[in-house]
Amino acid sequence: EVQLVESGGGLVKPGESLRLSCAASEFTFSNAWMTWVRQTPGRGLEWVGRITSKTNGETTGYAAPVKGRFTISRDDSKNILYLQMSSLRSDDTGMYYCVRGLPGHWDDAFEIWGQGTMVTVSS
Amino acid sequence: QSALTQPASVSGSPGQSITISCTGTSSDVGRFNYVSWYQQHPGEAPKLMIYEVSNRPSGISNRFSGSKSGNTASLTISGLQAEDEGDYYCSAYTGSTTLVVFGGGTKVTVL
Repeated sequence: EVQLVESGGGLVKPGESLRLSCAASEFTFSNAWMTWVRQTPGRGLEWVGRITSKTNGETTGYAAPVKGRFTISRDDSKNILYLQMSSLRSDDTGMYYCVRGLPGHWDDAFEIWGQGTMVTVSS
Repeated sequence: QSALTQPASVSGSPGQSITISCTGTSSDVGRFNYVSWYQQHPGEAPKLMIYEVSNRPSGISNRFSGSKSGNTASLTISGLQAEDEGDYYCSAYTGSTTLVVFGGGTKVTVL
């Protein structure tokens, strides 16, 4: 079964850092463009950022609220996607989902979702 | 505040049809035919129901259909069933720095 499993969430203080991981299985991870989406009570679903495949240059893109603070990377040898978050703020609090799009619709049709990992930023 | 506007709630009786609207701008919904719809049940991750305005992924019932006119996209659920209750979100690909924007979600209630 195609699966994404996130880990690494938790409670951190404002200004601290956290790294999320997403383990992929049962599909060719190296070919996939991968996305992080978060869900917060106040803003609903929010696109966080994306990384293309190595073949496509591992190009990253980020939403304005996280640009410069969050970094997406991937380890194709381990089938793992990462989200490094720094200078965390209270409005970063939410459920973070690792997502894979439909092949050919990597950026616009999010077919496979992980179960999510909760990030809470509070003093 | 979400980029795309959806009604907060829509309800219908079993067997009826309901339509959820998703209004954006010429920079998102109106720019490309890359509108998707997601269903989310409590405690679960969203599930892709419609992509590219009107296409259904494998395994999605043909009771779900999508359309778009200008800057407004719509999701119609026909033959409403109890299992259709949940939250529904639209999204649109923008091609800009923020690649994808979402709607605020619509709570569907089956009466």
